[in-house]
Amino acid sequence: AQTVTQSQPEMSVQEAETVTLSCTYDTSENNYYLFWYKQPPSRQMILVIRQEAYKQQNATENRFSVNFQKAAKSFSLKISDSQLGDTAMYFCAFIPPPNSNSGYALNFGKGTSLLVTP
Amino acid sequence: EAGVTQSPTHLIKTRGQQATLRCSPISGHTSVYWYQQALGLGLQFLLWYDEGEERNRGNFPPRFSGRQFPNYSSELNVNALELEDSALYLCASSPYRGGTEAFFGQGTRLTVV
Repeated sequence: AQTVTQSQPEMSVQEAETVTLSCTYDTSENNYYLFWYKQPPSRQMILVIRQEAYKQQNATENRFSVNFQKAAKSFSLKISDSQLGDTAMYFCAFIPPPNSNSGYALNFGKGTSLLVTP
Repeated sequence: EAGVTQSPTHLIKTRGQQATLRCSPISGHTSVYWYQQALGLGLQFLLWYDEGEERNRGNFPPRFSGRQFPNYSSELNVNALELEDSALYLCASSPYRGGTEAFFGQGTRLTVV
């Protein structure tokens, strides 16, 4: 079974500062995909960033970057220059290589609630 | 381009009743996934439909079922509702079977009283 663990239920950060959200996962697969999703109060899940396990380079999307440590099975999200609009639940998610049997079923962690304060 | 749309936004049902939730994927997307987001349990995979067939299901009882129509829209049915079925139900669509990108709708909040 593949599990995703987010050990920080809640975090807060001041505007313009940097915050790191932690995620660890457990899998016997070698090739897989990791994601961070954001769920603001509007409830819609928004993809923040994606990492393919076979790529050693850490993914970056504007102010969002990841620290992917494959051997440690760790996938943390760093948010730089935090903005009030970053306030949301953040979910780490994992899928094995999609195939005809598993499709794209995401395994989610339980989430980290991030509050950005003025 | 319209995103994934779900209806209704909110649904209140009595224990023992049946609930029907609907999802329209992004145009051109053939795969639809359903997830349950219950308080304290995070998001859990429910069902996957592709090309009109159920391809995979998560660890949920058979009273959770659904279907996918020829236009790729999907319906989730929950029979014999229990109080613990109260949750946000999210639908996601993907361009094709095995696609690595999923786009989510805003969900249906189901409350069982």
